[in-house]
Amino acid sequence: AQSVAQPEDQVNVAEGNPLTVKCTYSVSGNPYLFWYVQYPNRGLQFLLKYITGDNLVKGSYGFEAEFNKSQTSFHLKKPSALVSDSALYFCAVRADTGANSKLTFGKGITLSVRP
Amino acid sequence: ETGVTQTPRHLVMGMTNKKSLKCEQHLGHNAMYWYKQSAKKPLELMFVYNFKEQTENNSVPSRFSPECPNSSHLFLHLHTLQPEDSALYLCASSHPGGGSGNTIYFGEGSWLTVV
Repeated sequence: AQSVAQPEDQVNVAEGNPLTVKCTYSVSGNPYLFWYVQYPNRGLQFLLKYITGDNLVKGSYGFEAEFNKSQTSFHLKKPSALVSDSALYFCAVRADTGANSKLTFGKGITLSVRP
Repeated sequence: ETGVTQTPRHLVMGMTNKKSLKCEQHLGHNAMYWYKQSAKKPLELMFVYNFKEQTENNSVPSRFSPECPNSSHLFLHLHTLQPEDSALYLCASSHPGGGSGNTIYFGEGSWLTVV
């Protein structure tokens, strides 16, 4: 069974500092990895994904994520956090094993950026 | 604007009522999904439709009845719900084929409160 671990419930950073939101995964076969963000009272918005190729993926709003196969990780990063980045962040994984492959989400991490 | 529109955004219903949630996608996708998001719980996949055919029912109680008349529209019919069904219901769409790394795009959600 595939799974996603987001080990922290909350990440707190000061505005202007770099941020990292952690994600590790377990899947049979090669992974497709996704990050979504959810602002208060909104749906999930797609940020970025890794399918194949370059391990460093760039996405929306200045976010990027690095795929590390040996550590089975896909941490989300941003060089300089903004207060407006405060939201709930979900990592998700799907195996490249066919049309019925499911997308499994982590429980989400709350990012709080203080002014 | 995500390309996936959900109505109503908020719904309060009694346990004996019958109501429906509506979802429409303008992205040219052929797969549609219903997810349930409850406080302090992981995102739960409820139903999947591919080309109007239901391909997954994740052991959802029969008081939730989905309908997909075409690839652009998805409904969730609700009847005799319980207070624990109160949650954010998210509709999503994608190109079909989980193994191809297709991105799932979400609507803004419908907040349901059962009283």
